[in-house]
Amino acid sequence: ETGVTQTPRHLVMGMTNKKSLKCEQHLGHNAMYWYKQSAKKPLELMFVYNFKEQTENNSVPSRFSPECPNSSHLFLHLHTLQPEDSALYLCASSQDKNGGYGYTFGSGTRLTVV
Amino acid sequence: AQKVTQAQTEISVVEKEDVTLDCVYETRDTTYYLFWYKQPPSGELVFLIRRNSFDEQNEISGRYSWNFQKSTSSFNFTITASQVVDSAVYFCALSRYNQGGKLIFGQGTELSVKP
Repeated sequence: ETGVTQTPRHLVMGMTNKKSLKCEQHLGHNAMYWYKQSAKKPLELMFVYNFKEQTENNSVPSRFSPECPNSSHLFLHLHTLQPEDSALYLCASSQDKNGGYGYTFGSGTRLTVV
Repeated sequence: AQKVTQAQTEISVVEKEDVTLDCVYETRDTTYYLFWYKQPPSGELVFLIRRNSFDEQNEISGRYSWNFQKSTSSFNFTITASQVVDSAVYFCALSRYNQGGKLIFGQGTELSVKP
């Protein structure tokens, strides 16, 4: 499988649930990212990982907990979310830290918190 | 500070019309990269083009063309003879050289092409 794969595609969860989003890339990229895209709002960068190390946390609430066990996999663990956390969560990977190659995106997980 | 502005929130055209999506960026860096991505209703952002700050040559790819002008800090995107399949949200983005590869996105322009 090529590209960036995100699972699940859709998720409905209650505010007391715990769930995880998964992102996987087989492109040999070294950097991975989580973005949040709410309706009618721009893409918000949440977390950045380079070579499995978190290099950026954009003031994300602790109810979102990322995990990067290796350069190919990225998780976003969710617990006690709020309805305003409903959004499209996009994962991306990139080839380098120099900025020249841009990102390859997954199809996203559409999250609804009820 | 780095910033990307897409002033057009929504554009609606009729099929076969030409349409230009504007992108203005701010950076003090001399080396940077500019991108356009397309996000169809399925959600995935699809890469369209990359341009580095030293290459102001305009590019054409089929019905798509890009006009990069450093003098006005703009990187505009034109679709010629638009089609219904062009309906999507289009994002312009900027990345700084050697700063972790992070992309700074504009707010996006939602293009609707009606038959």
